[in-house]
Amino acid sequence: DAKTTQPTSMDCAEGRAANLPCNHSTISGNEYVYWYRQIHSQGPQYIIHGLKNNETNEMASLIITEDRKSSTLILPHATLRDTAVYYCIVSTNAGKSTFGDGTTLTVKP
Amino acid sequence: EAQVTQNPRYLITVTGKKLTVTCSQNMNHEYMSWYRQDPGLGLRQIYYSMNVEVTDKGDVPEGYKVSRKEKRNFPLILESPSPNQTSLYFCASSYGGRGGRETQYFGPGTRLLVL
Repeated sequence: DAKTTQPTSMDCAEGRAANLPCNHSTISGNEYVYWYRQIHSQGPQYIIHGLKNNETNEMASLIITEDRKSSTLILPHATLRDTAVYYCIVSTNAGKSTFGDGTTLTVKP
Repeated sequence: EAQVTQNPRYLITVTGKKLTVTCSQNMNHEYMSWYRQDPGLGLRQIYYSMNVEVTDKGDVPEGYKVSRKEKRNFPLILESPSPNQTSLYFCASSYGGRGGRETQYFGPGTRLLVL
């Protein structure tokens, strides 16, 4: 399984863009990059996923490098409610998932 | 409403007393998984299932059993719980398969304390 590496923690000012990086240098050609977040001890919530093209939805944007070895999740206008742990994972169709420790994003007023 | 439900949400038990945590999803998903989460750590996969009667070990399967007799249900069984199984447990489901269908939907969690 492809492993991911994320910074342990990041801060962001409210109203500014939050850019969360993720390295996945061993990703295979048919593996997708998924992002989830977990607020307090709630169940993780899906944010966005992509294969090789940049993706955008109502929550965030996902930028994947051309070599697919890294990606960046962008929250365009962070709010205090975006304070959470963000997980980047590489997902296969085999069912096995490795989440890692994620990045704790703290949005400050 | 599409959802994953877990029961119980909170459980206190004693060492060695068998328990089952139930998980059910109403989205007709093929894949289901169990995770545990300990303080300050990410989620670690315990077991997963790709279909009825098809299960496999995740990263931390020791001390746990699962079964998948019906598509919608995936119970987690602790036959002889020990204090090191005190944790927060999450069940998740997904369509699975290729083409970006692996989005996982998580239950609300079950907080287990083993004395």
